[in-house]
Amino acid sequence: KAGVTQTPRYLIKTRGQQVTLSCSPISGHRSVSWYQQTPGQGLQFLFEYFSETQRNKGNFPGRFSGRQFSNSRSEMNVSTLELGDSALYLCASSPGWGASGETQYFGPGTRLLVL
Amino acid sequence: QKEVEQNSGPLSVPEGAIASLNCTYSDRGSQSFFWYRQYSGKSPELIMSIYSNGDKEDGRFTAQLNKASQYVSLLIRDSQPSDSATYLCAVNKDNFNKFYFGSGTKLNVKP
Repeated sequence: KAGVTQTPRYLIKTRGQQVTLSCSPISGHRSVSWYQQTPGQGLQFLFEYFSETQRNKGNFPGRFSGRQFSNSRSEMNVSTLELGDSALYLCASSPGWGASGETQYFGPGTRLLVL
Repeated sequence: QKEVEQNSGPLSVPEGAIASLNCTYSDRGSQSFFWYRQYSGKSPELIMSIYSNGDKEDGRFTAQLNKASQYVSLLIRDSQPSDSATYLCAVNKDNFNKFYFGSGTKLNVKP
């Protein structure tokens, strides 16, 4: 099976702009989670989508949003970018049918630099 | 208090030795536990999961879980230079796929 794919892999934006990142999960997986990874804060959970619905949300401001399509592909959007949004954004997929704690498989990530 | 705590390291061990990585978590209701390995510039890759108290072995890796002490560990036997990476502990609190990650322990295996 093909793994999790993320596009684009690298992105440079300026403060105030917005950005959209894309994630395609492993075929058959219905759950997509997004994480932000920075050297200072580590890996932090943003949100999880399952069957086009946000099922979980982390403690990030409303500038961070996401959605999932009927084919399970997911996008996340960050509006009004700030310098502190520079990070590696990781997408992880899992089957989604379990009650909790399914094994998640990570994509290669999108590295975002905000200038 | 952080949900998941790990010593940031670096932990240095000679090739062939046993590397012991530790993780503590704050929520006694946590249900499932994972160890991921992350090479520099790469995304995390799953090493193993553990759900019940005790040991779980997979090749050179052994995960140990003690829910009473809220403690998870990973032992790597016969450590190889290729094991040099950051090891992330992840915990799920029975809330679908919302995971909390530790900050990771950097392991250096010296030839």
